Amino acid sequence: GQQVMQIPQYQHVQEGEDFTTYCNSSTTLSNIQWYKQRPGGHPVFLIQLVKSGEVKKQKRLTFQFGEAKKNSSLHITATQTTDVGTYFCAGNYGGSQGNLIFGKGTKLSVKP
Amino acid sequence: GAVVSQHPSRVICKSGTSVKIECRSLDFQATTMFWYRQFPKQSLMLMATSNEGSKATYEQGVEKDKFLINHASLTLSTLTVTSAHPEDSSFYICSARDQGYGYTFGSGTRLTVV
Repeated sequence: GQQVMQIPQYQHVQEGEDFTTYCNSSTTLSNIQWYKQRPGGHPVFLIQLVKSGEVKKQKRLTFQFGEAKKNSSLHITATQTTDVGTYFCAGNYGGSQGNLIFGKGTKLSVKP
Repeated sequence: GAVVSQHPSRVICKSGTSVKIECRSLDFQATTMFWYRQFPKQSLMLMATSNEGSKATYEQGVEKDKFLINHASLTLSTLTVTSAHPEDSSFYICSARDQGYGYTFGSGTRLTVV
């Protein structure tokens, strides 16, 4: 079935270091979304990527969608302690009416 | 922005009893809402898709008679965990698609069955 693989599962960085999490699907995605879940909280929508090769930036966060629309990455430059949390990618295979398939998430911890 | 309100945030119930969880879209209409279950340190697993005015669509392996979903209006979906058992203890989260691209999540319900 449809599955979204996300790595790494955990990432520990020193404040100021960069961080990247990757998602991969075996089949082509309609779009991919990224969410952040703080400890004890609920997922919060960050961004959606739709176009092949799309790159979007939100301050220190850079999101990429692969040319084949099968993989995506989230890169954080110069991490801060406020970046702590679990980052989930969620693939959409069925267009606007499709459901999201979540990756397992990458838990980021930042040491001050 | 879009807000989804979920109640209760925490509930402790005795084994064998039923628990109802409410999910409301506060400033938009949601013809479709989604119910997820999240185990500790794991990802969100879609349980069912709640459709306003019709029966919910359940994912494979989810017991529809145990997890009753009702979506009677465009702003309210409820999930009832019937005859709860300790293995049903989990974090349940609802979401709805807002008018933008993303899905807005409720704050979740931590269910503990004792």
